[in-house]
Amino acid sequence: GEDVEQSLFLSVREGDSSVINCTYTDSSSTYLYWYKQEPGAGLQLLTYIFSNMDMKQDQRLTVLLNKKDKHLSLRIADTQTGDSAIYFCAETPEGPGGYQKVTFGTGTKLQVIP
Amino acid sequence: DTGVSQDPRHKITKRGQNVTFRCDPISEHNRLYWYRQTLGQGPEFLTYFQNEAQLEKSRLLSDRFSAERPKGSFSTLEIQRTEQGDSAMYLCASSLGPGARYEQFFGPGTRLTVL
Repeated sequence: GEDVEQSLFLSVREGDSSVINCTYTDSSSTYLYWYKQEPGAGLQLLTYIFSNMDMKQDQRLTVLLNKKDKHLSLRIADTQTGDSAIYFCAETPEGPGGYQKVTFGTGTKLQVIP
Repeated sequence: DTGVSQDPRHKITKRGQNVTFRCDPISEHNRLYWYRQTLGQGPEFLTYFQNEAQLEKSRLLSDRFSAERPKGSFSTLEIQRTEQGDSAMYLCASSLGPGARYEQFFGPGTRLTVL
């Protein structure tokens, strides 16, 4: 079955860049996502990348995909205290009928030190 | 419409009792999903609806769990004869269309505690 793995914890200083890594096993993954979860709030989609891309940039966020190694990373430039949250890597294949079953990683807790 | 809503936000129950949760998706979304998230883990897919049809159920969804979406709008998730292992956050999400390119919007979740 599908498996998505992440490191559990990352601590960075405010203003530095954060890099959160993820590995996945499903070779049929079509879309890969990064979600953010803050305490008491629902999951928020930050960005996604299609499997035929190797990089996507969106303001302070840069996603890198190495499809050969099944490795995904999220870089947050100029990390702010408001970025402190749990970040989930997720993937989905393009299933029959067009539905999407998202498989989430265990999450990386990002702590930003002022 | 401000997003996906779930009710209640918190539920404490005794083992063996039945509980029911409600999810109201974004109004024009025809797809609705239920996930379960235990402490320190990512959400796990439970089931999915397209309009009123339940199209897939995870092996995590035992016979004690049932989900409905009777008119293709709101959905309910019922757990019968709750067990302590059912304690988790139950998340609902909805999306607009077919295919993985359509973002799933998540509700705030219902936290279930089984004593």
